[in-house]
Amino acid sequence: ELKVEQNPLFLSMQEGKNYTIYCNYSTTSDRLYWYRQDPGKSLESLFVLLSNGAVKQEGRLMASLDTKARLSTLHITAAVHDLSATYFCAVDGDSNYQLIWGAGTKLIIKP
Amino acid sequence: GAVVSQHPSRVICKSGTSVKIECRSLDFQATTMFWYRQFPKQSLMLMATSNEGSKATYEQGVEKDKFLINHASLTLSTLTVTSAHPEDSSFYICSAPGQGGNIQYFGAGTRLSVL
Repeated sequence: ELKVEQNPLFLSMQEGKNYTIYCNYSTTSDRLYWYRQDPGKSLESLFVLLSNGAVKQEGRLMASLDTKARLSTLHITAAVHDLSATYFCAVDGDSNYQLIWGAGTKLIIKP
Repeated sequence: GAVVSQHPSRVICKSGTSVKIECRSLDFQATTMFWYRQFPKQSLMLMATSNEGSKATYEQGVEKDKFLINHASLTLSTLTVTSAHPEDSSFYICSAPGQGGNIQYFGAGTRLSVL
């Protein structure tokens, strides 16, 4: 069974701190996706990691992919309140364009 | 960038009625679209894959007769929740893959509340 596991599932942190969300997966997928979801809203694509060793950065967020370890990380640097959201990782499923989703990490950043 | 429009954003209906949700790809063609259901504080659960011009592919445990999917054109997929009951209340989200499939574009979601 294809699995995507995220941890932690919940994270409360202070502004200015750094933290990392982890995404482990059981498939042999070479691609991994990170999405953001605000409460009551749909999903917004953050990063698409297409190969082993891929690293992408956007503002205070940086994502990396290690396909050998089947691990992706989403690192938050000097967190700000606006980054509070739920973050999902996903990998390619068996069918065309289908995604297998992690459970999501709810991130709360306190001022 | 590519946009997926989902309508309506919110529906409140009585038990026993049917509700139709539309998902449109606005500036690109989508031969495949996906319908998800999301319960509060949970991840997305894939319900079905909508295929233009052919039958949808449903995930295990999803009732085909309950959740009717029609993908009649390259830009429109619809999900009809038939004879809705309170347990069908949920957040429904559609998505369509962009060119090359490297990215999924999501609709804004439909919050269904069945009284």
